Parts: sequence; C-alpha cells; structure tokens
Amino acid sequence: DIQLTQSPSFLSASVGDRVTITCRASQGISSYLAWYQQKPGKAPKLLIYAASTLQSGVPSRFSGSGSGTEFTLTISSLQPEDFATYYCQQLNSYPFTFGPGTKVDIK
Amino acid sequence: QVQLQESGPGLVKPSGTLSLTCVVSGGSISSSNWWSWVRQPPGKGLEWIGEIYHSGSTNYNPSLKSRVTISVDKSKNQFSLKLSSVTAADTAVYYCAKNGGYSPFDFWGQGTLVTVSS
Repeated sequence: DIQLTQSPSFLSASVGDRVTITCRASQGISSYLAWYQQKPGKAPKLLIYAASTLQSGVPSRFSGSGSGTEFTLTISSLQPEDFATYYCQQLNSYPFTFGPGTKVDIK
Repeated sequence: QVQLQESGPGLVKPSGTLSLTCVVSGGSISSSNWWSWVRQPPGKGLEWIGEIYHSGSTNYNPSLKSRVTISVDKSKNQFSLKLSSVTAADTAVYYCAKNGGYSPFDFWGQGTLVTVSS
C-alpha cells in the first residue's frame, strides 16, 4: 500500500494567514492526488484533484501543487469557514489511501 | 446534481454482519462511474473500503477483503455494503461516495454511524 504522511498534523492560524499543508507519498504517484476538507459531523468535500485542479465551486484561495511524492495544499488567505481538517488522498493505485489529516484551528 | 444517502442499522452485535445501502439520486448508477464505501472511526481518519462498477466489477481494500462484499442493484439505483465478523474496531461513520475509478470522490453521502456493541 502507498502510505501518505501529512505535515503538520495540527496548525493554529489566524484569519488572513497564508497556510500550507504538505502531503508526502511513500512512492511516486504522479499527479494522482486529491485534497479534501472535512468539518465536524460532515462528509469530506473535494477541493483539489489531479494535484492542482480546483474542483468546481471551490474558492480560488485554495491551490494545490506537486507531483511524484511531494504535494502541497495552500490557502492564500484563511477565512473563518476554512477552519477544518484537511486530508490528502492518492488515487494512483489500489488500495486508495488517505493521509492522517491536518487540523486547522483558530489561533 | 448527484445525491447519495446511506441507510442501515446503527447498531450491530459483535461477530455479526454490518449491512448498509446507498441510494443514488439525481443520476444513474449505470453511468461511467465507480461507487465507493469509505469509513471513519470516531475521532480518526478515513479508510477506503472498496468500490463497485455498475457491471458488478469490484475492488476491495486488502485489509478488509476477506470480510467485505459490495453489490449493486441497478433496478433500485443503489449499491450495498456487507461487512462480516464485525468487532468494536469496525465502529465508524460509513460513507458512500461517487468516484471515477482513478478519479477523486466528488460526491459523498452524509454518512451513517454504525456501532458494534452487544
């Protein structure tokens, strides 16, 4: 199985801050990486797919980059509704796996 | 807009079988998509369980493969999950989702909590 690690696991930030989350894969996954946002009690919401493609309807302050084994999710200016947990997911090979998550909290 | 809705018992006894159904609305389950189950233990991360295509082809997570069966009912536009020999470790919120094979999970159900307890 392809293992995904995320850093940091927890992030405390203020509204307006620029936030970057890193996801690393245990082996190369080309650009088969997606990012999800999950709020408490809710299903995950797709933000980014193919490493850098913004899902329809997702604000442009979210962006993704990377390929191979290292990927980043950036929120250019954190908004109150962005406080949530973020997960990366690889879709390069079965079984599909998720990272452990990064919780973004209010400073 | 595709919508998915999970249903099934919220409580299952240890060693029993967990059974859930996901009804798809706003789209056909026979479209060129795969349909997945994902679970999340309380306070923990996400685990992909497996997926099915409308033809009946399946892919399962090897960690659960011996206990999992995913099936599809095209006449009812729904797919189902059965997980056998459950233990407390199978207590989780179970989500159904739409994906496209190696494409991301773009639509999700709201999730249903299944507790394994006597």
